[in-house]
Amino acid sequence: AQSVTQPDIHITVSEGASLELRCNYSYGATPYLFWYVQSPGQGLQLLLKYFSGDTLVQGIKGFEAEFKRSQSSFNLRKPSVHWSDAAEYFCAVGAGGTSYGKLTFGQGTILTVHP
Amino acid sequence: KAGVTQTPRYLIKTRGQQVTLSCSPISGHRSVSWYQQTPGQGLQFLFEYFSETQRNKGNFPGRFSGRQFSNSRSEMNVSTLELGDSALYLCASHSRDRGFYEQYFGPGTRLTVT
Repeated sequence: AQSVTQPDIHITVSEGASLELRCNYSYGATPYLFWYVQSPGQGLQLLLKYFSGDTLVQGIKGFEAEFKRSQSSFNLRKPSVHWSDAAEYFCAVGAGGTSYGKLTFGQGTILTVHP
Repeated sequence: KAGVTQTPRYLIKTRGQQVTLSCSPISGHRSVSWYQQTPGQGLQFLFEYFSETQRNKGNFPGRFSGRQFSNSRSEMNVSTLELGDSALYLCASHSRDRGFYEQYFGPGTRLTVT
C-alpha cells in the first residue's frame, strides 16, 4: 500500500525567502505524485503533478518540484515566497490500474509567511 | 468551464440522523472520488465512482455509501451519524477514461454532528 510522509507540520518563512516543503512516499512501482494547496475553508487546488519523464516539474504560482526516485522524495520548492502563499500544502501519491481514482495524502504542511 | 460543485456547503446534523451530500463534476468528467478531511486523520479516501459503478473503496464502515447517476453527478450518504463524522467532505472530479489522472476538487461540504 502506498503512503506519504510530510515531515514538517508547520513552516514559517519570511516574504521573499525561498521555500522547500518535503515529501517522502512509499510505493512499489513508479508513482503518480501531486502537490495540492488548500486555503482555509476551501477545497484543494492542484499545484503540479509528476507522472513520468523529466524529474523537475513546473507548476502554477511559480512552484516546482523534483522527483528523486533514489530518495523516494518529491519536494516542493519556490524561489521567492509571497504572502499569498500562506496556506496548507499536501503531497499525494496515486496508483494506476484498479486503484486509479484513489489518492493517498500526507498529513500536510502549514506554511506561514511573515512580512 | 465550471468547476466541481458541492451542495450543501454547510450542514449541521444530530447524532443518529442521516445525511446526503451532492457533488457535480466538471463537464466531461465521468469519475468522482470522495474524501473525508478531519484534523486528526487528515485526508482519507472514501470511494470512487466511474460510470455509475463503485470502482474503489476506502476503509470506512458501511454507514458510508455513495452512488453515481447517469449524468455523472454523485451523492454520498452517511447513516446513523456519529460525532466523529464531523468533517469536511471533499469530492474530486477526474477523467479516468481519457487517461488524465488529475483530480479537481470541489470546495467541500462542512458537516457538523452535534
